[in-house]
Amino acid sequence: DGGITQSPKYLFRKEGQNVTLSCEQNLNHDAMYWYRQDPGQGLRLIYYSQIVNDFQKGDIAEGYSVSREKKESFPLTVTSAQKNPTAFYLCASSIFGGDIDEQFFGPGTRLTVL
Amino acid sequence: EDQVTQSPEALRLQEGESSSLNCSYTVSGLRGLFWYRQDPGKGPEFLFTLYSAGEEKEKERLKATLTKKESFLHITAPKPEDSATYLCAVQVWASGSRLTFGEGTQLTVNP
Repeated sequence: DGGITQSPKYLFRKEGQNVTLSCEQNLNHDAMYWYRQDPGQGLRLIYYSQIVNDFQKGDIAEGYSVSREKKESFPLTVTSAQKNPTAFYLCASSIFGGDIDEQFFGPGTRLTVL
Repeated sequence: EDQVTQSPEALRLQEGESSSLNCSYTVSGLRGLFWYRQDPGKGPEFLFTLYSAGEEKEKERLKATLTKKESFLHITAPKPEDSATYLCAVQVWASGSRLTFGEGTQLTVNP
């Protein structure tokens, strides 16, 4: 089955540590996205990538980093510079440049800072 | 700056009681408006895309409509399994493929 996988489902981090969240898709989509969701709020865009080896900052990129070395993978690193990282993180993918614009989401990773 | 506002924040309905959710937007050059459903602790599930004023789309008990300033998600005779958070998002021509989301409407349907 085609889809988006995120791992781990739950992640605990001590203050001062960097952690990396995994996102993989087998939909052959060109574009991939990372969002952050806080309780009772909508999604805010952290980073996105429309082609391999290229990515752009979203609205809340500070304290985060990404890479896009393969079409299928778009890992997100939450660095120690991110002051309030506890949140639900969602990865999405979409076709880029075609007639279908909708983004499809993975199941999410819940990050808690201890 | 693109803005998306959803109302109400929360809505409680009795089973069978029809209602509507609102998504108003202020953008420059709307390319598309998207509706998603999100269950607690899960990723959003795509429902509809609307591209031009006057367009309507339906799926089971849900119907989405679009005007030049807002979109409505009409829920007809809802069932408890329709309980979820409904998210609206816009895509504009100047921003490529990125979406800007509203804060969502949390719908609860009581049996």
